[in-house]
Amino acid sequence: SYELTQPPSVSVSPGQTATITCSGDKLGGKYTHWYQQKPGQSPLLVIYQDDKRPSGIPDRFSGSLSGNTATLTVSGTQAMDEADYFCQTWDTYTAIFGGGTKLTVL
Amino acid sequence: QVQLEESGPGLVKPSQTLSLTCTVSGGSISSGNYFWSWIRQPAGMGLECLGRIYMTGTTNYNPSLESRVTISLDASKNQFSLRLRSVTAADTAVYYCVRVNRGEVGSNYLDYWSQGSLVTVSS
Repeated sequence: SYELTQPPSVSVSPGQTATITCSGDKLGGKYTHWYQQKPGQSPLLVIYQDDKRPSGIPDRFSGSLSGNTATLTVSGTQAMDEADYFCQTWDTYTAIFGGGTKLTVL
Repeated sequence: QVQLEESGPGLVKPSQTLSLTCTVSGGSISSGNYFWSWIRQPAGMGLECLGRIYMTGTTNYNPSLESRVTISLDASKNQFSLRLRSVTAADTAVYYCVRVNRGEVGSNYLDYWSQGSLVTVSS
């Protein structure tokens, strides 16, 4: 079955840049989406189609794709950005999620 | 604003069938721009897709669960439903109903999520 690999945790100081990676076989030929999930809340779409930001998502969130690795970048990280982040793509007709990365703002 | 809300029992006995219904408001389930999906998340763990349904009734299921899952829709009520048979404790999770936006290029992103419903499998 298809797998997406994310680092379990990333730490960043307030105001600095956090990068979260997501890798998968032939991911470069698929679209990657990113979701933020805070404790007790539903996931929230923050980046879709590799690098597009939904309405209402701050522009400090950005996405990119290089080869088979997608990257979520949070610039000028704020305390409110502390959350779990999941990448997602499709394996034929099934949505596949990465294991999630806990972003800690120290 | 699109809203999705699940309803159904929060406790199911082992070997029985888990049933949840998702009511969609603020948008039509009959729009060709979307799929409708069920995603679950065991406590402290990651996200797992159970399957999706299109307005025509066409379904796609996660191969790992396909033998136990049925997703259906009722356009007249703007609802879609999940049935998961022969449940075990491993099926205990928060279940989300989700709108999948096909997007302009078919990228299929999950843009609206319900609040989530905890379903516990226990005798």
